[in-house]
Amino acid sequence: AQSVTQLGSHVSVSEGALVLLRCNYSSSVPPYLFWYVQYPNQGLQLLLKYTTGATLVKGINGFEAEFKKSETSFHLTKPSAHMSDAAEYFCAVSDGDYKLSFGAGTTVTVRA
Amino acid sequence: DSGVTQTPKHLITATGQRVTLRCSPRSGDLSVYWYQQSLDQGLQFLIQYYNGEERAKGNILERFSAQQFPDLHSELNLSSLELGDSALYFCASSGGQGHYNEQFFGPGTRLTVL
Repeated sequence: AQSVTQLGSHVSVSEGALVLLRCNYSSSVPPYLFWYVQYPNQGLQLLLKYTTGATLVKGINGFEAEFKKSETSFHLTKPSAHMSDAAEYFCAVSDGDYKLSFGAGTTVTVRA
Repeated sequence: DSGVTQTPKHLITATGQRVTLRCSPRSGDLSVYWYQQSLDQGLQFLIQYYNGEERAKGNILERFSAQQFPDLHSELNLSSLELGDSALYFCASSGGQGHYNEQFFGPGTRLTVL
């Protein structure tokens, strides 16, 4: 069975600062990894995904994540935060049967 | 807009009642997934259907059931509702060409049980 741990339920950053959201996973098979974003009163939107191949994955809105098998991590970063990045972010893992196991989520606040 | 639609957007009902949530997947997607999002449990997978057949079950209560119809839309039925069933219920779809392992989420149905 797979599981996801997101370190930090709340992250506060200044506008223009680095955004770093941490995600560690456990999976018995090579995982598929995802980051989703949820804006208030909306559904989940896919930011990026790792399936196979290049371990540095670029997504929408300037986000990227790096798959590190040795550390079982898939941390999400964005070099410069924007006010519009304020949202809740979920890391998720799938072991190939397509159902997703989500982390508890990290709420990002951006300070002007 | 993900292309996944869910109705109704909001549902308020009383304990002991039964409700049906509806989901239409993206065009071409054969898989439908149901998830529950609550403050205490987070986002939890409930059940998956693929082309009309149940494929996987997660933490779905016996009071809950789902089905996928020949036109691929899906319904989640919740019965004997309890206060703790209040949550946001999401439907997601996948399986379209080129996106077989990526799920697209609908806007959700917010269920309030009073």
